[in-house]
Amino acid sequence: ETGVTQTPRHLVMGMTNKKSLKCEQHLGHNAMYWYKQSAKKPLELMFVYNFKEQTENNSVPSRFSPECPNSSHLFLHLHTLQPEDSALYLCASSRRSGGALETQYFGPGTRLLVL
Amino acid sequence: AQTVTQSQPEMSVQEAETVTLSCTYDTSESDYYLFWYKQPPSRQMILVIRQEAYKQQNATENRFSVNFQKAAKSFSLKISDSQLGDAAMYFCAYRSAEGGSARQLTFGSGTQLTVLP
Repeated sequence: ETGVTQTPRHLVMGMTNKKSLKCEQHLGHNAMYWYKQSAKKPLELMFVYNFKEQTENNSVPSRFSPECPNSSHLFLHLHTLQPEDSALYLCASSRRSGGALETQYFGPGTRLLVL
Repeated sequence: AQTVTQSQPEMSVQEAETVTLSCTYDTSESDYYLFWYKQPPSRQMILVIRQEAYKQQNATENRFSVNFQKAAKSFSLKISDSQLGDAAMYFCAYRSAEGGSARQLTFGSGTQLTVLP
């Protein structure tokens, strides 16, 4: 248990559906991240939020829409996804202060299947 | 841009034996951090060990230790007295120490470790 939770753990959706992934951290961190993990590929950073402000968007398609209402919660809103978007979506958090304290701690992930 | 390479897609080790996982990276920066993460079948990404580039001493965490060779840009993970619970995908990761905002991790492609009873 790392102090980062994600819901749902599994999600199956059609290409016309709209769904949201939720991440919550109980570590007092100020930075939160979304990663995508596809089969046979390294983890890919999608978004970074620092004190609720988006500081990184790694050329992610607009069908993925992040939201960070406060430093403890991060959402990923999904709409009109494609089958190739099926993957494990991992959330992470860290402190912003830099140095070793900025180590990222990961949630258990949401396994997404797009039909 | 930084890159992280794990040249061993799969490794196996006998229980109680020692195994070393390789990682090399490419960067032009002098200050950075290196990490090993473990991802068991549960898919939870768990931090195993971390190393600050400015520290010459190799990091150790119980049965896990690293061999950090800064000049060679090499960061291998040694697991001693391997246990069945060590079976997992192991990822090497790099993070810059420069800049003031939260910085992204660059991951290698992973090494799947099997522990044989």
